[in-house]
Amino acid sequence: DAGITQSPRHKVTETGTPVTLRCHQTENHRYMYWYRQDPGHGLRLIHYSYGVKDTDKGEVSDGYSVSRSKTEDFLLTLESATSSQTSVYFCAISGTVVYEQYFGPGTRLTVT
Amino acid sequence: GQQLNQSPQSMFIQEGEDVSMNCTSSSIFNTWLWYKQDPGEGPVLLIALYKAGELTSNGRLTAQFGITRKDSFLNISASIPSDVGIYFCAGGETGANSKLTFGKGITLSVRP
Repeated sequence: DAGITQSPRHKVTETGTPVTLRCHQTENHRYMYWYRQDPGHGLRLIHYSYGVKDTDKGEVSDGYSVSRSKTEDFLLTLESATSSQTSVYFCAISGTVVYEQYFGPGTRLTVT
Repeated sequence: GQQLNQSPQSMFIQEGEDVSMNCTSSSIFNTWLWYKQDPGEGPVLLIALYKAGELTSNGRLTAQFGITRKDSFLNISASIPSDVGIYFCAGGETGANSKLTFGKGITLSVRP
C-alpha cells in the first residue's frame, strides 16, 4: 500500500467553523490531490499540487484552500464550513507515472 | 468539463459468473484506469492502460483500452464475494497536468 495517511479520519463540526484536513505521504511523490466523494457524483477534484508551494484548482474548489509547504504534507482548509461541504474527502498521490494515483483512507466530515 | 459515463449504476450477479462493465466518453483520453473501492476505504488502482487497443490482465480482471480512445472495458471472471464494491473508471488527457476524470462508478453486488 502507498504510504498515505489522512487525519482526522472522522470529524463533526458546526457551520461557520474553520476546518483543516491533513494528508501525509511517505513516498516522496511530486503530485498530491484532494477529492470529495458524494453519492451520485463520484470523485470530484478540489485542488491539486504539482510540487512544494505549487497548487491549482480543480472542478469544485469554491470554499476550499490548500497549502503545501513540504513534499510530504498537503493541507485542505475549509475557511468557514457549510453543510454542503459534508462529504468524504480523499487525498491521492502520484509520482513518476503521473496518472497512476494512489488514494488515502479518507476523512468523513460532517458539518451540522 | 469532460465526463465519463458508466452504466448501470448497480449490477447484481451470482458468484462464479463473469461480469463486464464499460466506460465511455465523448472525448479522447490517452490513459485509462480502473479502480475498486471497498466500503469505508479509498479507491484502489486495479489496472492502468496506456495504448489504444491494449489488453491488460490482473488476476481475474482484464481491461481493454478502446481503439477509438473514447472507451474502456473491464471484465471480471469467475466472480467471488470479495469482488463486491464500487468500480470506477478514470481517464487522463494529454496536457491535463496529471489530472484524472472519473466516472461515477458501478456498484457490484455478488450473490453467494
